[in-house]
Amino acid sequence: QVQLQESGPGLVKPSETLSLTCTVSGGSISTYYWSWIRQPPGKGLEWIGYIYYSGSTNYNPSLTSRLTISVDTSKNQFSLKLTSVTAADTAVYSCARGSPYSSSWHHDAFDIWGQGTMVTVSS
Amino acid sequence: QSVLTQPPSVSAAPGQKVTISCSGSSSNIGNNYVSWYQQVPGTSPKLLIYDNHERPSGIPDRFSGSKSGTSATLGITGLQTGDEADYYCGTWDSSLSVVFGGGTKVTVL
Repeated sequence: QVQLQESGPGLVKPSETLSLTCTVSGGSISTYYWSWIRQPPGKGLEWIGYIYYSGSTNYNPSLTSRLTISVDTSKNQFSLKLTSVTAADTAVYSCARGSPYSSSWHHDAFDIWGQGTMVTVSS
Repeated sequence: QSVLTQPPSVSAAPGQKVTISCSGSSSNIGNNYVSWYQQVPGTSPKLLIYDNHERPSGIPDRFSGSKSGTSATLGITGLQTGDEADYYCGTWDSSLSVVFGGGTKVTVL
Protein backbone atom coordinates (compact mmCIF):
# COMPACT_ATOMS: atom_id res chain seq x y z
CA GLN A 1 0.00 0.00 0.00
CA VAL A 2 0.96 3.64 -0.36
CA GLN A 3 3.38 4.92 2.27
CA LEU A 4 4.80 8.37 2.89
CA GLN A 5 8.15 9.24 4.42
CA GLU A 6 9.35 12.71 5.36
CA SER A 7 13.03 13.61 5.29
CA GLY A 8 15.08 16.70 6.03
CA PRO A 9 17.06 18.50 8.73
CA GLY A 10 15.76 18.32 12.26
CA LEU A 11 17.34 21.62 13.26
CA VAL A 12 17.10 24.93 11.40
CA LYS A 13 18.48 28.29 12.49
CA PRO A 14 16.19 31.30 12.86
CA SER A 15 15.79 33.34 9.66
CA GLU A 16 16.95 30.41 7.52
CA THR A 17 14.91 28.15 5.24
CA LEU A 18 13.23 24.93 6.33
CA SER A 19 13.32 22.29 3.60
CA LEU A 20 11.59 18.92 3.74
CA THR A 21 10.84 16.17 1.23
CA CYS A 22 8.10 13.57 1.25
CA THR A 23 8.74 10.35 -0.66
CA VAL A 24 5.74 8.38 -1.86
CA SER A 25 6.25 4.62 -2.08
CA GLY A 26 3.95 1.76 -3.00
CA GLY A 27 2.07 3.85 -5.52
CA SER A 28 2.30 6.75 -7.93
CA ILE A 29 2.27 10.38 -6.89
CA SER A 30 0.20 11.11 -9.97
CA THR A 31 -3.52 11.78 -9.83
CA TYR A 32 -3.69 12.70 -6.15
CA TYR A 33 -3.40 15.84 -4.01
CA TRP A 34 -0.61 15.93 -1.45
CA SER A 35 -0.50 18.10 1.66
CA TRP A 36 1.87 19.24 4.35
CA ILE A 37 0.49 19.53 7.88
CA ARG A 38 2.34 20.53 11.03
CA GLN A 39 1.78 20.17 14.75
CA PRO A 40 3.69 22.28 17.29
CA PRO A 41 4.63 20.38 20.46
CA GLY A 42 1.58 19.86 22.63
CA LYS A 43 -0.69 21.71 20.21
CA GLY A 44 -3.16 21.00 17.44
CA LEU A 45 -2.89 20.48 13.70
CA GLU A 46 -2.19 23.23 11.17
CA TRP A 47 -2.59 22.68 7.45
CA ILE A 48 0.31 24.18 5.47
CA GLY A 49 -0.73 23.60 1.89
CA TYR A 50 -1.20 21.09 -0.88
CA ILE A 51 0.10 20.32 -4.35
CA TYR A 52 -1.39 18.36 -7.22
CA TYR A 53 0.89 16.11 -9.23
CA SER A 54 0.56 18.58 -12.11
CA GLY A 55 2.19 21.23 -9.94
CA SER A 56 -0.82 23.34 -9.04
CA THR A 57 -0.78 24.45 -5.41
CA ASN A 58 -2.95 25.88 -2.66
CA TYR A 59 -1.34 27.41 0.41
CA ASN A 60 -2.51 28.38 3.88
CA PRO A 61 -2.96 32.17 3.59
CA SER A 62 -1.04 32.68 6.84
CA LEU A 63 2.07 31.07 5.33
CA THR A 64 1.83 31.87 1.64
CA SER A 65 4.45 34.65 1.66
CA ARG A 66 7.12 32.26 2.99
CA LEU A 67 6.01 28.97 1.45
CA THR A 68 6.82 26.96 -1.64
CA ILE A 69 5.59 23.42 -2.28
CA SER A 70 6.91 21.60 -5.32
CA VAL A 71 6.63 18.15 -6.88
CA ASP A 72 9.04 15.86 -8.68
CA THR A 73 7.00 13.14 -10.35
CA SER A 74 10.12 11.38 -11.66
CA LYS A 75 11.21 10.76 -8.08
CA ASN A 76 7.70 10.32 -6.66
CA GLN A 77 8.43 13.13 -4.22
CA PHE A 78 7.04 16.46 -3.19
CA SER A 79 8.82 19.08 -1.14
CA LEU A 80 8.27 21.98 1.24
CA LYS A 81 10.33 25.13 1.61
CA LEU A 82 9.51 27.63 4.33
CA THR A 83 11.66 30.73 4.47
CA SER A 84 12.56 33.10 7.31
CA VAL A 85 11.69 30.62 10.03
CA THR A 86 11.26 31.52 13.69
CA ALA A 87 10.73 29.51 16.85
CA ALA A 88 7.01 29.55 16.06
CA ASP A 89 7.74 27.23 13.14
CA THR A 90 9.01 24.51 15.47
CA ALA A 91 6.72 21.54 14.95
CA VAL A 92 6.30 17.98 13.76
CA TYR A 93 5.86 18.25 10.00
CA SER A 94 3.85 15.55 8.26
CA CYS A 95 2.96 14.86 4.67
CA ALA A 96 -0.43 13.41 3.84
CA ARG A 97 -2.57 12.38 0.89
CA GLY A 98 -5.92 13.96 0.09
CA SER A 99 -8.38 11.10 0.11
CA PRO A 100 -9.48 10.09 -3.38
CA TYR A 101 -12.71 8.74 -1.89
CA SER A 102 -13.92 12.04 -0.48
CA SER A 103 -16.50 14.10 -2.35
CA SER A 104 -14.84 17.29 -1.13
CA TRP A 105 -13.25 19.22 -3.94
CA HIS A 106 -10.96 20.89 -1.41
CA HIS A 107 -9.01 17.66 -0.86
CA ASP A 108 -9.19 18.18 2.89
CA ALA A 109 -9.71 14.60 4.10
CA PHE A 110 -6.28 13.07 4.66
CA ASP A 111 -6.28 9.29 4.47
CA ILE A 112 -2.58 8.44 4.39
CA TRP A 113 0.02 10.16 6.57
CA GLY A 114 3.74 9.99 6.95
CA GLN A 115 5.18 9.31 10.38
CA GLY A 116 6.12 12.97 10.75
CA THR A 117 9.47 14.61 11.36
CA MET A 118 10.32 16.99 14.18
CA VAL A 119 11.84 20.29 13.08
CA THR A 120 13.25 22.61 15.72
CA VAL A 121 14.09 26.22 14.94
CA SER A 122 16.91 27.30 17.20
CA SER A 123 20.32 28.87 17.01
CA GLN B 1 -7.27 29.70 19.16
CA SER B 2 -8.67 27.14 16.73
CA VAL B 3 -11.30 28.02 14.15
CA LEU B 4 -13.29 24.92 15.12
CA THR B 5 -14.23 24.44 18.76
CA GLN B 6 -13.97 21.07 20.49
CA PRO B 7 -14.22 20.18 24.18
CA PRO B 8 -10.76 19.65 25.66
CA SER B 9 -11.64 16.27 27.09
CA VAL B 10 -14.32 13.64 27.44
CA SER B 11 -14.31 10.40 29.38
CA ALA B 12 -16.37 7.30 29.92
CA ALA B 13 -16.07 3.76 31.20
CA PRO B 14 -15.20 0.81 28.95
CA GLY B 15 -18.16 -0.27 26.87
CA GLN B 16 -19.88 3.08 27.17
CA LYS B 17 -20.43 5.74 24.51
CA VAL B 18 -18.82 9.14 24.10
CA THR B 19 -19.62 11.96 21.75
CA ILE B 20 -17.28 14.74 20.70
CA SER B 21 -18.66 17.97 19.34
CA CYS B 22 -17.05 20.25 16.78
CA SER B 23 -18.55 23.69 16.44
CA GLY B 24 -17.88 26.03 13.56
CA SER B 25 -19.69 28.50 11.36
CA SER B 26 -21.22 28.96 7.94
CA SER B 27 -17.71 29.76 6.70
CA ASN B 28 -16.54 26.24 7.35
CA ILE B 29 -18.67 23.37 8.70
CA GLY B 30 -21.89 24.93 7.49
CA ASN B 31 -20.91 24.62 3.85
CA ASN B 32 -18.28 21.90 3.70
CA TYR B 33 -17.64 18.27 4.56
CA VAL B 34 -16.17 17.38 7.94
CA SER B 35 -13.46 14.82 8.67
CA TRP B 36 -12.41 13.28 11.98
CA TYR B 37 -9.00 11.97 13.00
CA GLN B 38 -7.69 9.85 15.86
CA GLN B 39 -4.17 10.54 17.11
CA VAL B 40 -2.58 8.22 19.61
CA PRO B 41 0.27 10.12 21.33
CA GLY B 42 3.52 9.83 19.43
CA THR B 43 1.86 8.71 16.21
CA SER B 44 0.38 10.38 13.15
CA PRO B 45 -3.33 11.14 12.88
CA LYS B 46 -5.58 8.42 11.43
CA LEU B 47 -8.63 9.25 9.35
CA LEU B 48 -11.77 7.93 11.05
CA ILE B 49 -14.57 9.77 9.24
CA TYR B 50 -14.75 11.77 6.02
CA ASP B 51 -17.60 13.51 4.20
CA ASN B 52 -19.35 13.97 7.56
CA HIS B 53 -20.24 10.33 8.13
CA GLU B 54 -18.30 8.04 5.81
CA ARG B 55 -15.82 5.54 7.25
CA PRO B 56 -12.64 4.54 5.42
CA SER B 57 -12.09 0.86 4.90
CA GLY B 58 -10.98 -0.82 8.12
CA ILE B 59 -12.57 1.67 10.51
CA PRO B 60 -15.07 -0.16 12.75
CA ASP B 61 -18.68 0.95 12.85
CA ARG B 62 -18.23 1.83 16.53
CA PHE B 63 -17.10 5.17 15.11
CA SER B 64 -19.78 7.36 13.57
CA GLY B 65 -20.02 10.92 12.36
CA SER B 66 -22.84 13.37 11.82
CA LYS B 67 -23.32 17.00 10.91
CA SER B 68 -26.11 19.45 11.55
CA GLY B 69 -25.89 23.07 10.51
CA THR B 70 -22.57 24.48 11.69
CA SER B 71 -21.71 21.64 14.07
CA ALA B 72 -20.48 18.10 13.71
CA THR B 73 -20.30 15.19 16.11
CA LEU B 74 -18.13 12.12 16.41
CA GLY B 75 -19.56 9.20 18.32
CA ILE B 76 -17.65 6.25 19.73
CA THR B 77 -19.64 3.31 21.07
CA GLY B 78 -18.37 0.26 22.96
CA LEU B 79 -15.46 2.30 24.28
CA GLN B 80 -12.18 0.40 24.53
CA THR B 81 -8.88 1.23 26.22
CA GLY B 82 -7.33 1.40 22.77
CA ASP B 83 -9.61 4.34 21.97
CA GLU B 84 -7.68 6.57 24.36
CA ALA B 85 -6.30 9.24 22.07
CA ASP B 86 -6.73 12.79 20.87
CA TYR B 87 -9.46 13.36 18.31
CA TYR B 88 -9.55 16.21 15.81
CA CYS B 89 -12.20 17.50 13.46
CA GLY B 90 -11.27 19.25 10.23
CA THR B 91 -12.91 20.96 7.28
CA TRP B 92 -12.42 23.61 4.62
CA ASP B 93 -12.86 27.26 5.51
CA SER B 94 -13.80 30.16 3.26
CA SER B 95 -10.50 31.78 4.25
CA LEU B 96 -9.12 29.33 1.69
CA SER B 97 -7.58 26.96 4.16
CA VAL B 98 -8.16 23.62 5.79
CA VAL B 99 -8.92 24.21 9.46
CA PHE B 100 -8.91 21.89 12.44
CA GLY B 101 -10.39 21.84 15.89
CA GLY B 102 -8.14 22.12 18.93
CA GLY B 103 -8.50 18.43 19.70
CA THR B 104 -10.34 16.41 22.33
CA LYS B 105 -8.62 13.96 24.64
CA VAL B 106 -10.66 10.80 25.21
CA THR B 107 -10.02 9.01 28.48
CA VAL B 108 -11.32 5.54 29.22
CA LEU B 109 -12.01 5.39 32.93
